[in-house]
Amino acid sequence: GENVEQHPSTLSVQEGDSAVIKCTYSDSASNYFPWYKQELGKRPQLIIDIRSNVGEKKDQRIAVTLNKTAKHFSLHITETQPEDSAVYFCAAWVTSYDKVIFGPGTSLSVIP
Amino acid sequence: GAGVSQSPSNKVTEKGKDVELRCDPISGHTALYWYRQSLGQGLEFLIYFQGNSAPDKSGLPSDRFSAERTGGSVSTLTIQRTQQEDSAVYLCASAPTGTLRETQYFGPGTRLLVL
Repeated sequence: GENVEQHPSTLSVQEGDSAVIKCTYSDSASNYFPWYKQELGKRPQLIIDIRSNVGEKKDQRIAVTLNKTAKHFSLHITETQPEDSAVYFCAAWVTSYDKVIFGPGTSLSVIP
Repeated sequence: GAGVSQSPSNKVTEKGKDVELRCDPISGHTALYWYRQSLGQGLEFLIYFQGNSAPDKSGLPSDRFSAERTGGSVSTLTIQRTQQEDSAVYLCASAPTGTLRETQYFGPGTRLLVL
């Protein structure tokens, strides 16, 4: 069935460094890819998304890239700050099922 | 405007009891999703509503779990004869219609503990 893989499962970076989280999806008909950030004890919140007609999207320190041919998409966080520490979930919209499939999450720790 | 709300925020129950979890979506959102999140784990899809109908119930773990939605708004997730493995955070999300229907807005969750 439809599946979204996400790597790494945990990531530690020094404050100021960049962090990259990578995801792959299986449904070639997927056309929408959101990223959610979940701080400890909080709800997941949408931080950025990309549609399949776009290869890259940037919002301040975060950017997402999409390679439809390879069915890969990635989240890039530059100049990381301690408040970026959270669990990040990628997801892919499955058109035929009218729902998003979430990846298993990446726990990011930014070390001051 | 008001976001997605859920109640109760915390629920402690004894094994074997039934529980009801409530979700109030954002006004006008026709899609509503329930997820379960065990401690330190990802988001496990349970059920999806479009209006009052549930086209996808594939994620419900067992027949002890059921959900309904009335008036295209409030949804209730019911767990009968709760088991300790049901302990988790239950998250609800809603989404609008049209081209933005893929964007889900999450509620704060209900933390369920089954003793």
